[in-house]
Amino acid sequence: GAVVSQHPSRVICKSGTSVKIECRSLDFQATTMFWYRQFPKQSLMLMATSNEGSKATYEQGVEKDKFLINHASLTLSTLTVTSAHPEDSSFYICSARTPWTGGKHTGELFFGEGSRLTVL
Amino acid sequence: GEDVEQSLFLSVREGDSSVINCTYTDSSSTYLYWYKQEPGAGLQLLTYIFSNMDMKQDQRLTVLLNKKDKHLSLRIADTQTGDSAIYFCAEGGKLIFGQGTELSVKP
Repeated sequence: GAVVSQHPSRVICKSGTSVKIECRSLDFQATTMFWYRQFPKQSLMLMATSNEGSKATYEQGVEKDKFLINHASLTLSTLTVTSAHPEDSSFYICSARTPWTGGKHTGELFFGEGSRLTVL
Repeated sequence: GEDVEQSLFLSVREGDSSVINCTYTDSSSTYLYWYKQEPGAGLQLLTYIFSNMDMKQDQRLTVLLNKKDKHLSLRIADTQTGDSAIYFCAEGGKLIFGQGTELSVKP
């Protein structure tokens, strides 16, 4: 099946530094990817929709200058947490939608394994 | 806006059937999904159902959709200890998730 890969799976950084998380679709091209944040014992909160070749669409309440999203190619989207603070510590998950091909892919959404960010 | 609700906990004995329920508000959703999340891991797509279907069966999993009541359920037959996880239902193109149901399977 389709595979979405996230890297790194875990990252620890100091307060004030920036951290980049990558999301790759390994066997399909994804014009749209999504970034979610999950707090412990809670559901996933959609942060933004990443669109290849254009600006990301952010959900209400998500600071776009804080969470920079770049979707430079059809297989890669990156989320950069800028000037990270301890309250940014969380589990970040990306997803990518397979295209409609009428065959192998039918628009399903697959998720990466997630990236746990800890800001000291 | 869209909203998806699930019960938070379900405990069953190994070998029994588990039924996880979900209600949603967006009647325009084309797809409805069930995901499984094991501790510390990402989400695994279990199954999905098109909105024009009432039921979908996939091995031990049965999804029932009642569009009139906007109710979705996931039945796991012969539940095993390896099924212990959090199960999320989700709807829509951007995916609005429920809170997740923690399934605990006792031997």
